[in-house]
Amino acid sequence: DARVTQTPRHKVTEMGQEVTMRCQPILGHNTVFWYRQTMMQGLELLAYFRNRAPLDDSGMPKDRFSAEMPDATLATLKIQPSEPRDSAVYFCASGLVSVDRGNTEAFFGQGTRLTVV
Amino acid sequence: SQQGEEDPQALSIQEGENATMNCSYKTSINNLQWYRQNSGRGLVHLILIRSNEREKHSGRLRVTLDTSKKSSSLLITASRAADTASYFCATDAFWNKLTFGTGTQLKVEL
Repeated sequence: DARVTQTPRHKVTEMGQEVTMRCQPILGHNTVFWYRQTMMQGLELLAYFRNRAPLDDSGMPKDRFSAEMPDATLATLKIQPSEPRDSAVYFCASGLVSVDRGNTEAFFGQGTRLTVV
Repeated sequence: SQQGEEDPQALSIQEGENATMNCSYKTSINNLQWYRQNSGRGLVHLILIRSNEREKHSGRLRVTLDTSKKSSSLLITASRAADTASYFCATDAFWNKLTFGTGTQLKVEL
């Protein structure tokens, strides 16, 4: 049963520490999205990749956030240094985009619940 | 930033009634999608409607799209308690960027 896997599921860290969240997209999908969900801001698109190349990371605070896809089976989102306002649920999603049909459905992981104290 | 806004923010209905949620968006789109999120879980895709389609059905779901008004609606017929969740619209726009609306919290009471 193909699914997007995110690790860790929960993370509690102290302010100033580095946080790394990992995502294994579904094999064969060419697009990976990173979202952040909070009560106040809803679901925000942080960054997304097509064929491992970053297409848009304008939603990320560049000074502390970075997103990469070292290979087709792994996407990472790093926060360094972390701050209490980064507390949120971070979702990774993957999907297949074709030139003529655009996005098909996005498959979401279960999320990483981050708490920065 | 949100591409879409949904209303109502919250909706409470009785089991068996129909639930209608609306989504408005700002830019031209390739397609519009609806997702469901149960509390504490990831989002699950429900239905996709392309920009050249006006209406689509899937089981108890009916989606309409009006590109001239930049709006869409999701109708859930004969609702069940298990439909209780948050519902989000998402637009596939420029460069296939998938952005989500603010969501509607639906509560279906027995």
